[in-house]
Amino acid sequence: GENVEQHPSTLSVQEGDSAVIKCTYSDSASNYFPWYKQELGKRPQLIIDIRSNVGEKKDQRIAVTLNKTAKHFSLHITETQPEDSAVYFCAARANGGYQKVTFGIGTKLQVIP
Amino acid sequence: DSGVTQTPKHLITATGQRVTLRCSPRSGDLSVYWYQQSLDQGLQFLIQYYNGEERAKGNILERFSAQQFPDLHSELNLSSLELGDSALYFCASSVGGPVGGELFFGEGSRLTVL
Repeated sequence: GENVEQHPSTLSVQEGDSAVIKCTYSDSASNYFPWYKQELGKRPQLIIDIRSNVGEKKDQRIAVTLNKTAKHFSLHITETQPEDSAVYFCAARANGGYQKVTFGIGTKLQVIP
Repeated sequence: DSGVTQTPKHLITATGQRVTLRCSPRSGDLSVYWYQQSLDQGLQFLIQYYNGEERAKGNILERFSAQQFPDLHSELNLSSLELGDSALYFCASSVGGPVGGELFFGEGSRLTVL
């Protein structure tokens, strides 16, 4: 089955700096890679996703890159703000909606004002 | 509001007991997923249903079982509860099928086993 590894597990950055979270996946059939943000005590919410036919996707201060050859994808947050502090999960899924979505262990991001 | 409804929000019970967690997916979503999140832990996949059929199974304990009913709501049954079963249980739904679609999470059911 799919295995998703995520690092770092914790990340502290100064407000205004950039943050990068990296994930690798094992199943070459995976073709959908979402990122979820979970604030303390709340449900995970999708912040950005990318499909395997795209190498990069950007949405304001957030961007995701995908390297299918290396089975590696990353989340980039620029100009971080205190409200970006949360746990971020990467995930991978193959075969449309017929397969499970496998999540990484999560990265606890702290943005220091 | 994600449109996914989970009940109960909080549940406190004793070891050895049995509980049922309920999930109503978003209107139109056919896939339901169950995840377990222990304190400061990630999202551990338990089981997935699509239009009433089991599609994928994670490391779900034999003491746990689930089903998706014809009206698409799902229930997760946890029996012979142990202290270690204390966790936040999330249900998520998506359109499913070849489209797949984004997972929308419910608010979770927090289970405390004393």
